[in-house]
Amino acid sequence: AQKVTQAQTEISVVEKEDVTLDCVYETRDTTYYLFWYKQPPSGELVFLIRRNSFDEQNEISGRYSWNFQKSTSSFNFTITASQVVDSAVYFCALSEGNRDDKIIFGKGTRLHILP
Amino acid sequence: KAGVTQTPRYLIKTRGQQVTLSCSPISGHRSVSWYQQTPGQGLQFLFEYFSETQRNKGNFPGRFSGRQFSNSRSEMNVSTLELGDSALYLCASRDFSYEQYFGPGTRLTVT
Repeated sequence: AQKVTQAQTEISVVEKEDVTLDCVYETRDTTYYLFWYKQPPSGELVFLIRRNSFDEQNEISGRYSWNFQKSTSSFNFTITASQVVDSAVYFCALSEGNRDDKIIFGKGTRLHILP
Repeated sequence: KAGVTQTPRYLIKTRGQQVTLSCSPISGHRSVSWYQQTPGQGLQFLFEYFSETQRNKGNFPGRFSGRQFSNSRSEMNVSTLELGDSALYLCASRDFSYEQYFGPGTRLTVT
């Protein structure tokens, strides 16, 4: 069965610090997709990234970077030089095969960036 | 392009009643998915519709149902409401790409 674990329920860091959000997943499929979403206080989920299981290359987008390691079934998300606007709940998620329509979410990590 | 809209945004119902929530996808998007978000269970997939057909369903009782209209608008219905149905219900739409666009959600409170 597929499962996504975000062990960090809540994290607080001071602005400008780097912070890493952990994500560990379980799946029996060899083809799967991993996602990160951001949920600000307004409630709408915002798509951040999608990574397929065959592409282990790390990705950087501005202050955001993602580290995908199949050997440890992890897909961690790092925010560099955090800002107060980064405060939100972040969800890691998984879909199997070509079923992007059914996404299994982790419980989320609430990130507080303190000024 | 307008985003995904959900109505109503807030709703209070009494146990035993039924409720219908509406979702209007982004223009041109034919796939609509529904999710339930609660503090205890997190975000859980309810079902997904594409071209008026349910393509996938999560592990929810039959009290939860949905449908999609020819204009891709979707509704979900919950009958015989229970206190545990109190949640934020999120709708997401997408075209043929993988990126799902989420609406602001409908917050349902069952008393």
